[in-house]
Amino acid sequence: DAGITQSPRYKITETGRQVTLMCHQTWSHSYMFWYRQDLGHGLRLIYYSAAADITDKGEVPDGYVVSRSKTENFPLTLESATRSQTSVYFCASSRLPGLAGEGRTDTQYFGPGTRLTVL
Amino acid sequence: GQSLEQPSEVTAVEGAIVQINCTYQTSGFYGLSWYQQHDGGAPTFLSYNALDGLEETGRFSSFLSRSDSYGYLLLQELQMKDSASYFCAVRDRDQGGKLIFGQGTELSVKP
Repeated sequence: DAGITQSPRYKITETGRQVTLMCHQTWSHSYMFWYRQDLGHGLRLIYYSAAADITDKGEVPDGYVVSRSKTENFPLTLESATRSQTSVYFCASSRLPGLAGEGRTDTQYFGPGTRLTVL
Repeated sequence: GQSLEQPSEVTAVEGAIVQINCTYQTSGFYGLSWYQQHDGGAPTFLSYNALDGLEETGRFSSFLSRSDSYGYLLLQELQMKDSASYFCAVRDRDQGGKLIFGQGTELSVKP
């Protein structure tokens, strides 16, 4: 399917387990992002990637690992899940900033989200 | 660093006009964006202001004043389906491709 997809949509895990959230986009967008959303905190950036094999930390990277071996995929791994990582996780992608395109150079396209519960 | 402030909640009635303000502090940025998020859904792009002034897209308009570090989203002829959270966002010039989001404004439209 065209667009940006996330899997799984819902996940329940236990403290200490490793969990990987998948994100896939079909637009060949250069930039990809991972956010978490908690009540009262809006959208907080975890990691982002400007291109394949280029990743950088966002606002709340601790406890998370990312990789980007292919442009279309940007998995997020919780190495040892904690209860504080219970959240809704959104993946997003965008074109290379600075390209005018339709004029909306900052537009990010979000996946449907993964609701993660850590028990 | 940068920060954005917007009201946490706004309530309005169907058919009315509502304005959601966003003030920001950043050393330099490319533009102000607005996103809409319905409960349980993904944020979706609404509007973008690269320059000062008003951008109109149907019932929605967005305004930017760089000199005042201020912008707003204006929603006209409110409908029940407009009940959602609205986020302003900026891309700081020194932060590469990252968007920095405000905390969001929850709009409730009453009959």
